[in-house]
Amino acid sequence: GENVEQHPSTLSVQEGDSAVIKCTYSDSASNYFPWYKQELGKRPQLIIDIRSNVGEKKDQRIAVTLNKTAKHFSLHITETQPEDSAVYFCAASIAAGGGNKLTFGTGTQLKVEL
Amino acid sequence: DTAVSQTPKYLVTQMGNDKSIKCEQNLGHDTMYWYKQDSKKFLKIMFSYNNKELIINETVPNRFSPKSPDKAHLNLHINSLELGDSAVYFCASSPRTANSPLHFGNGTRLTVT
Repeated sequence: GENVEQHPSTLSVQEGDSAVIKCTYSDSASNYFPWYKQELGKRPQLIIDIRSNVGEKKDQRIAVTLNKTAKHFSLHITETQPEDSAVYFCAASIAAGGGNKLTFGTGTQLKVEL
Repeated sequence: DTAVSQTPKYLVTQMGNDKSIKCEQNLGHDTMYWYKQDSKKFLKIMFSYNNKELIINETVPNRFSPKSPDKAHLNLHINSLELGDSAVYFCASSPRTANSPLHFGNGTRLTVT
């Protein structure tokens, strides 16, 4: 089955700096890569996603890049703010019976310090 | 009006008991899921239903039995609860189309003592 590795497990940056989280996946059939943000005690919420026919996608301070050949994708957050502090999960998805089978990475605890 | 709602939010029970968690979505999605998040925050899929039909059943003990009475509801029943079942259980839903994002409920924190 699919295996998703995520690094780093913890990341501490100063406010205003950039943060980069990297993920690799194993199954070349995976074709959808969402990123979720989970604040303490809350549910995971989608922040950005990318499909395998696209190499890069940007939404304001957040961008995601995908390298299908190398099977890795990354999340970039620029001009970080304290409210960006949370756990971030990458995921790789294979279509399955009308839905998606999402395999999540192990999460990155991002802390933005003042 | 929460799109994906789960009840209860917290569940504390003793080993050996049987408990259920309910989930409902009002997004009109065809597919619903149960995910388990353990103490290390790892999110792992347990089950997925598409329009009441089971389509994903990961390696989960058969003490866990999902039930989908209609496409807007997916409940999870757990028999003979064990300490290791303590976790946060998230329900989610997505449209039928592939490569669509999952919308998660607020989670049910299950504590088995």
